[in-house]
Amino acid sequence: EADIYQTPRYLVIGTGKKITLECSQTMGHDKMYWYQQDPGMELHLIHYSYGVNSTEKGDLSSESTVSRIRTEHFPLTLESARPSHTSQYLCASSDRDGRRGETQYFGPGTRLLVL
Amino acid sequence: AQSVTQLGSHVSVSEGALVLLRCNYSSSVPPYLFWYVQYPNQGLQLLLKYTSAATLVKGINGFEAEFKKSETSFHLTKPSAHMSDAAEYFCAVSDSGGGADGLTFGKGTHLIIQP
Repeated sequence: EADIYQTPRYLVIGTGKKITLECSQTMGHDKMYWYQQDPGMELHLIHYSYGVNSTEKGDLSSESTVSRIRTEHFPLTLESARPSHTSQYLCASSDRDGRRGETQYFGPGTRLLVL
Repeated sequence: AQSVTQLGSHVSVSEGALVLLRCNYSSSVPPYLFWYVQYPNQGLQLLLKYTSAATLVKGINGFEAEFKKSETSFHLTKPSAHMSDAAEYFCAVSDSGGGADGLTFGKGTHLIIQP
């Protein structure tokens, strides 16, 4: 079983609030990812990181930002939440397996509702 | 660019019957292919993956999938459905040129098991 954790699991917040979604992994993986998943829809990559001090934007444009100060920690921040940010956010990590189809391990997700 | 198409947003089978979940992919380079399962209120768990070795891949919980290049397909099967198989199933692709961009997911298939 993968050791990747996300907090909070559920969050209801008002428009305009700043929020940070936490993601931590204890596997020492270099690569970490954030995906956004709307109900009944596919996952879309919004951010990823190769390692410490590396952050990249994914395929889906997002108003969120990320940071990678420590290998095990990859938080996602929304400076001013809006109802359009309501979604499920999934964090994942993987080994640097020479880009040979490495497995991504997923956290349980954070369900965000912005009122 | 790569893409994944999962035919059927919902599939219903009787307990003990064959499970067949369809996945077709598009990729300009040899792909790596994955099936993930998502149980309610949980993250994604890897079922199996194809990484250019054997075309028939066996995974956890009795699932298997066959890579067919000529059909650009990677359908997931299980000979006998169990009630515990009820979940959302996602097919995903990453190309062999680079894993840092994350996975491209299909929209998912909700598997319903009838008693």
